[in-house]
Formats: sequence, structure tokens, C-alpha cells
Amino acid sequence: AQSVSQHNHHVILSEAASLELGCNYSYGGTVNLFWYVQYPGQHLQLLLKYFSGDPLVKGIKGFEAEFIKSKFSFNLRKPSVQWSDTAEYFCAVSPYNTDKLIFGTGTRLQVFP
Amino acid sequence: DAGVTQSPTHLIKTRGQQVTLRCSPKSGHDTVSWYQQALGQGPQFIFQYYEEEERQRGNFPDRFSGHQFPNYSSELNVNALLLGDSALYLCASSWATGPATEAFFGQGTRLTVV
Repeated sequence: AQSVSQHNHHVILSEAASLELGCNYSYGGTVNLFWYVQYPGQHLQLLLKYFSGDPLVKGIKGFEAEFIKSKFSFNLRKPSVQWSDTAEYFCAVSPYNTDKLIFGTGTRLQVFP
Repeated sequence: DAGVTQSPTHLIKTRGQQVTLRCSPKSGHDTVSWYQQALGQGPQFIFQYYEEEERQRGNFPDRFSGHQFPNYSSELNVNALLLGDSALYLCASSWATGPATEAFFGQGTRLTVV
């Protein structure tokens, strides 16, 4: 079955620390990849997406993610986090030619000043 | 520009009852997807509607049904509610049917079944 794994359930960082959130998926075919963010009290928002081309994609607010096909991974990174990055982060996969998103269980990020 | 709006925001129902949740897509969008997000979990795909028809369906029982209207708004109906149906129900809209479509999410309807 298709699935997405986010191994970090809860991450606590100080401001200016670097961030890397892991995401692995299981699906044998072509996929499109997404990271969504949910700030406290707000709706899910797209952070970045990958569907072809350069495997290193840049999103909003200084986030980036790298697609490594051989490892079935799409890890999210940010070199220096801010307090305002406190949120829940969801990795999602969409098998090619479908519109459904398969989400991981999410990673709760807390950034302290 | 109004984003995706869902109503109601919160709902409490009794086991065995039926519930209808509503979604208005973002302006210009014609495709609506519904997701169920249980506490501590990621959203799970229920189904998607396009041109007033169900196009894709996730692994949910027939108790979950939906409808899309000519104005692209959508309803999610759940019959014979179970305690396990308690969750946040999210609606997402998009304007194209390609795989790279960005889905815009609403704030969700929090359903509690008692």
C-alpha cells in the first residue's frame, strides 16, 4: 500500500538552528511530492512541491526540499529557523495521474526564542 | 479573494445519526476533495468530485457519500455515525485535474460523535 513516513514526530529547536525533517514514501511509480504547513489556528498551506526537473526545490519562507529518488525521500530543510516557523509540517505524495494526496502523520515543530 | 470555506466549524452528533458538511471552493476552482484527519494523524483522502461526479475514492465505507453542485460547491454526508468518525474533516479545492495541482484547504469542520 502507498504510505508516507515522517519519522520526527516532535522537534524542538532554538531560533537560528538548522532544520531537517525527514519524509520517506513507499510507492513504486512516479509521484509528485509536497510539503504542507499548518500554523496554529490556520488551515493547511502549501510550502513547496516537486513534480519534475531539478530535485532541489525551493518554497516559501526560506524552506527547501530535496527529492532523492533512490531513497524514496523528500526531506525538508531550512538553514535557520525562526520562532514564527512553529507549526505542524506534513509531507504528502500524489501518485502520478491521480489527484489524491497521501499524507504522513506530521511533525510538530516548536521553535523557542 | 475568498479561499475555501467550510461549514459548520464545529458539530456534535450522536452515534447513529447522519451529518452533512459543506464546502465552497476557492473562486475559479472546479474540483473538490474531502479528507478526514483524526487526532494525531495526517489527513486521509475520502473522495474527490469533478463535474458533479465522484472521480476518485479512498478507502472509506459507503456510509461516506458526497455531492457536487453546478456552482462547484460540495457536500460530504456521513450516515450511521460511529464514535470513530470523530475527526476534523477538510475540504480542498483545485482548478485543474493534473497531478501537479496545488490543493487549497479550508479550515475544516470538527465533528464529534458522542
